[in-house]
Amino acid sequence: GQQLNQSPQSMFIQEGEDVSMNCTSSSIFNTWLWYKQDPGEGPVLLIALYKAGELTSNGRLTAQFGITRKDSFLNISASIPSDVGIYFCAGQRSDGGSQGNLIFGKGTKLSVKP
Amino acid sequence: NAGVTQTPKFQVLKTGQSMTLQCAQDMNHEYMSWYRQDPGMGLRLIHYSVGAGITDQGEVPNGYNVSRSTTEDFPLRLLSAAPSQTSVYFCASSYGGSYGYTFGSGTRLTVV
Repeated sequence: GQQLNQSPQSMFIQEGEDVSMNCTSSSIFNTWLWYKQDPGEGPVLLIALYKAGELTSNGRLTAQFGITRKDSFLNISASIPSDVGIYFCAGQRSDGGSQGNLIFGKGTKLSVKP
Repeated sequence: NAGVTQTPKFQVLKTGQSMTLQCAQDMNHEYMSWYRQDPGMGLRLIHYSVGAGITDQGEVPNGYNVSRSTTEDFPLRLLSAAPSQTSVYFCASSYGGSYGYTFGSGTRLTVV
């Protein structure tokens, strides 16, 4: 089955740093979602994007729906320790593929720099 | 407001045993899905439902059955557990396919 290409796979953050991650696909999507998962918990929705070019913020988080509709970006500004966790992108294909359900990336794991 | 409730939180099965993972939501969502999460694999769709009485297969349906007799409940049945089914299972629900899904806290299943 198709999965989104999410990068980087992991990264280390120092408090106060800005963080960027992205997802790309060979297919066109009509919805992009960004989730965060804490250890032992289910993913929690952070931001939803429904329109090409859309830029949406949620506090220190900003996400963009790529103009080509094949990618999306998530930025975290001025990171804090509670930002650690796994971030997943998810998308819904515009051609009805995958039965219209969400396709998930493999996640970006944020850890604190030792 | 409980959201999506999954039971049990942990389960150990012997190969060949069967069991049902329970999922209930109290948000009157039409869409419900089951995913499994394996290390480095992200979330993969097992089965989904777009309303009571309607179910369909996702990406990895083999070895699993589902039914949707009510809007609230969407149980996942393992017919004959295999070690390859060791995973974390998440149930999720949504108002509609393109809206954000709300996830439960997961069931951690080990098959020995």
